[in-house]
Amino acid sequence: GAVVSQHPSRVICKSGTSVKIECRSLDFQATTMFWYRQFPKQSLMLMATSNEGSKATYEQGVEKDKFLINHASLTLSTLTVTSAHPEDSSFYICSAPGRGRNTEAFFGQGTRLTVV
Amino acid sequence: GEDVEQSLFLSVREGDSSVINCTYTDSSSTYLYWYKQEPGAGLQLLTYIFSNMDMKQDQRLTVLLNKKDKHLSLRIADTQTGDSAIYFCAETPLGGYNKLIFGAGTRLAVHP
Repeated sequence: GAVVSQHPSRVICKSGTSVKIECRSLDFQATTMFWYRQFPKQSLMLMATSNEGSKATYEQGVEKDKFLINHASLTLSTLTVTSAHPEDSSFYICSAPGRGRNTEAFFGQGTRLTVV
Repeated sequence: GEDVEQSLFLSVREGDSSVINCTYTDSSSTYLYWYKQEPGAGLQLLTYIFSNMDMKQDQRLTVLLNKKDKHLSLRIADTQTGDSAIYFCAETPLGGYNKLIFGAGTRLAVHP
């Protein structure tokens, strides 16, 4: 089946630095990818929709200048957490739609970000 | 707005059946999903059901959908310790194209 690879799986960074998370569709093209954030013991919250070749669409309350999304190719979307703060520590996970509307979405393995 | 609710915790004995319940508010939902998340890992799709179906069975998994009450359930037969995980119910809003709205997740604990 389709595979979405997310890298890195874990990252620890200092406050004030930026961290880039990559999400790749390995054997299919994804014009759209989704970025979610999961707080401990909570559900996944959609942050933004990444669109290849155009600007990302952010959900209400998500700072687009803080969470930069770039979807430069049909197989790669990146999320950059800029000027990270401890409250940005979370589990970030991406997904890409399967073929056709409203069928399986394929998820990456997730990235555990810890800001110290 | 769109909202998905689940009970947060379920404990069952190994070999028993587990039933995880979910309610949603968006009547236009076309597909409803069950995902499994093991500690520190991503999400694994277990099964999904189209909104015009009442039931779907896949090996040990049975999904029941009551569209009138907007209630979805996942039954795991012969629950094993390897089934211990968090189970998320999710829906796709009409036109959402794989944009998923998740419930908070139900933590399933299986004990001997």
